[in-house]
Amino acid sequence: DGGITQSPKYLFRKEGQNVTLSCEQNLNHDAMYWYRQDPGQGLRLIYYSQIVNDFQKGDIAEGYSVSREKKESFPLTVTSAQKNPTAFYLCASSIFPVSGANVLTFGAGSRLTVL
Amino acid sequence: GQQLNQSPQSMFIQEGEDVSMNCTSSSIFNTWLWYKQDPGEGPVLLIALYKAGELTSNGRLTAQFGITRKDSFLNISASIPSDVGIYFCAGWNDMRFGAGTRLTVKP
Repeated sequence: DGGITQSPKYLFRKEGQNVTLSCEQNLNHDAMYWYRQDPGQGLRLIYYSQIVNDFQKGDIAEGYSVSREKKESFPLTVTSAQKNPTAFYLCASSIFPVSGANVLTFGAGSRLTVL
Repeated sequence: GQQLNQSPQSMFIQEGEDVSMNCTSSSIFNTWLWYKQDPGEGPVLLIALYKAGELTSNGRLTAQFGITRKDSFLNISASIPSDVGIYFCAGWNDMRFGAGTRLTVKP
């Protein structure tokens, strides 16, 4: 079955440590996205990528970094510079370029807790 | 990105009641999408609207793309406990979502 796989589902981190969240899709989608969700809040865009080796900052990119070395993979690194990293992180992908009428498919999310 | 205003922020209803929520924007959109998020999971697409005035149903769900292209609403008829979750709208000129409507259904 095609879909998006995020790992790990739960992650605990000490302050000052970097952590990388994995996102893999086998849908052959062109674009991939990372969102952050805080309790009781909506989805805020961190980064997105339309093609391999290219990515753009979203609304809250500070303290995060990404790479897009392969079409199917879009890992997110939460760096120690991120002041309040505890949140639920969602990865998504879409088949069309961003300017098209594209529909996002989401992964199941990764919950990061900083101790 | 454009600002999406989604209301209400939360709803507490009795099982069997109908539900209505909406999304408005100051900008025009070409596509409106409605998603549902179960607790601890990723959002799942419910309905996609691509044409102004379009009215689309998916089981007990009905959504409409406003004529002005600046709004959309989602109705749920005869709610059941599994309708519980957060409903998000997205107007797809960019990648932003509304803040969500949190629905609680009391048996």
